[in-house]
Amino acid sequence: ETGVTQTPRHLVMGMTNKKSLKCEQHLGHNAMYWYKQSAKKPLELMFVYSLEERVENNSVPSRFSPECPNSSHLFLHLHTLQPEDSALYLCASARVGLDTDTQYFGPGTRLTVL
Amino acid sequence: AQTVTQSQPEMSVQEAETVTLSCTYDTSESDYYLFWYKQPPSRQMILVIRQEAYKQQNATENRFSVNFQKAAKSFSLKISDSQLGDAAMYFCAYRSLSSGNTPLVFGKGTRLSVIA
Repeated sequence: ETGVTQTPRHLVMGMTNKKSLKCEQHLGHNAMYWYKQSAKKPLELMFVYSLEERVENNSVPSRFSPECPNSSHLFLHLHTLQPEDSALYLCASARVGLDTDTQYFGPGTRLTVL
Repeated sequence: AQTVTQSQPEMSVQEAETVTLSCTYDTSESDYYLFWYKQPPSRQMILVIRQEAYKQQNATENRFSVNFQKAAKSFSLKISDSQLGDAAMYFCAYRSLSSGNTPLVFGKGTRLSVIA
């Protein structure tokens, strides 16, 4: 599956580090999403970009900063994270305007904060 | 706000048998979409099947079918002739059609094991 790719697949960082997660979609979609997946919790929507404009921010701490430079790329910039931020971060994309706007997911980045 | 409940944290099925995963949701809306996603151990979330609420006919995709009971707000997934590759986390999700780019609301998931 190469429709939505994410890099890196695994990331270990200290609380004082700055890192970025990257997502790229090759499906011609116009909306992209960041989700956080923690153990035993439902997927949590973090950010939504539609037509490169942020349309939703679900009360995410400011230590997470998204960036969507174009419709194919989405970044999540991380700084001064906490151990509880350790999780799987999933990117998804969709074609907004079609009947179902089905979201297609990337493989995720497994983040560990020490 | 909409919620999605998957009451079975874990399920198991013998290879070649049939298993049903349950999902209920809460909404006051009449138009929406429902989805089942599969997340194998490799972590890639894959769409299994989707259902439009306005359609009475249950969606089917090969060995996967749903039992959509709109009045009961129930959306169960049936996997027939289970295969080892069906082992994964299964997530039920809801999407409103109320306006614009509404996000998916996910349940907590059901971990399905397939026994050879």
